[in-house]
Amino acid sequence: SQTIHQWPATLVQPVGSPLSLECTVEGTSNPNLYWYRQAAGRGLQLLFYSVGIGQISSEVPQNLSASRPQDRQFILSSKKLLLSDSGFYLCAWSVATPGTGELFFGEGSRLTVL
Amino acid sequence: EDQVTQSPEALRLQEGESSSLNCSYTVSGLRGLFWYRQDPGKGPEFLFTLYSAGEEKEKERLKATLTKKESFLHITAPKPEDSATYLCAVGGFQKLVFGTGTRLLVSP
Repeated sequence: SQTIHQWPATLVQPVGSPLSLECTVEGTSNPNLYWYRQAAGRGLQLLFYSVGIGQISSEVPQNLSASRPQDRQFILSSKKLLLSDSGFYLCAWSVATPGTGELFFGEGSRLTVL
Repeated sequence: EDQVTQSPEALRLQEGESSSLNCSYTVSGLRGLFWYRQDPGKGPEFLFTLYSAGEEKEKERLKATLTKKESFLHITAPKPEDSATYLCAVGGFQKLVFGTGTRLLVSP
């Protein structure tokens, strides 16, 4: 069966510091990978998605970036965090397109920027 | 642009009191409508996918239905363990657009 791991689970960082969140998927090959952010009282916002190694699509202009160095590894980064980057970050995977569309999420990473 | 609106924002039920959650949507072409359950501090858990109007899916006390403009998540005789936020999303094939969810609290 497929599993998705995301870490760290909780992170408190000062403004201006760098960020690296990691996500790995097991039990499947060539998945689509996603980073979403969930702010209090708001729906999940798609940040990045990837259909293959080195292929990244950005949905929202911001100071975050994503990379996919391996087939089942997805990394969310920032060089300098802003207060507005605080939130709950979720990694997800889906079967490669066309697939059936369902997303399967990790447990999330809670980021607090002070 | 795909849009999803969920209502009510919050719902409090007594154990055994059945009710329904609503998800209305506007899309350029429905590729799929998805329901998720999210517990506090956790990632969303996939429940159902509906593809066409008239389709229904069931899982334990939950039943999801779909029309051309909205979907309902019916909860029959809920238990306290059904307390969670229920999210609706539309899209598929690389992108899902999510609603803000309905927070359900079931009291014993």
